Amino acid sequence: GENVEQHPSTLSVQEGDSAVIKCTYSDSASNYFPWYKQELGKRPQLIIDIRSNVGEKKDQRIAVTLNKTAKHFSLHITETQPEDSAVYFCAAVIVEGAGSYQLTFGKGTKLSVIP
Amino acid sequence: KAGVTQTPRYLIKTRGQQVTLSCSPISGHRSVSWYQQTPGQGLQFLFEYFSETQRNKGNFPGRFSGRQFSNSRSEMNVSTLELGDSALYLCASRTSGRSQETQYFGPGTRLLVL
Repeated sequence: GENVEQHPSTLSVQEGDSAVIKCTYSDSASNYFPWYKQELGKRPQLIIDIRSNVGEKKDQRIAVTLNKTAKHFSLHITETQPEDSAVYFCAAVIVEGAGSYQLTFGKGTKLSVIP
Repeated sequence: KAGVTQTPRYLIKTRGQQVTLSCSPISGHRSVSWYQQTPGQGLQFLFEYFSETQRNKGNFPGRFSGRQFSNSRSEMNVSTLELGDSALYLCASRTSGRSQETQYFGPGTRLLVL
């Protein structure tokens, strides 16, 4: 089955600096890569996603890049703010023709933004 | 639209008992997936249901089962509970299943097994 590795497990940055979280996946059939943010005691919320036919996607301070050849994808947060502090999960999804959808999460990265 | 809802929100059981958790997807969503979240193992996929059929199953023992009703509501059952089943159980819904699309999570049911 699919295996997703996520690094680092914890990350501390000063407010205003950039944060980068990296993930690798094992199954070349994975074709959809969402990123979730989970604040303490709350549900995971999608923050950005990328499909396998796209190399990069940006949404304000958040960007995601995908290298299908190397099977890795990364989340970049610029100008970090204290409210960015949370656990971030990457995921790799195999979406098949019959609509089958199997999502594998990375172990998560706890991001702390220091004011 | 109302979001994904899960009941109950908190549950305490003892070893050997069984438990049933419920998930109501967003109106119009036909796919429901279930996940187990623990500090040690993170978020792990349990299974996905679409149009009352289980389409995918993760690596969990047969004690974990589920079903989906014609109104897309889903239930998850865990029999013969073990201490290690203590976790946050999340369900997520999405519209169909034919595209790479976002899924929306419910608030979760926190299960404690004593």
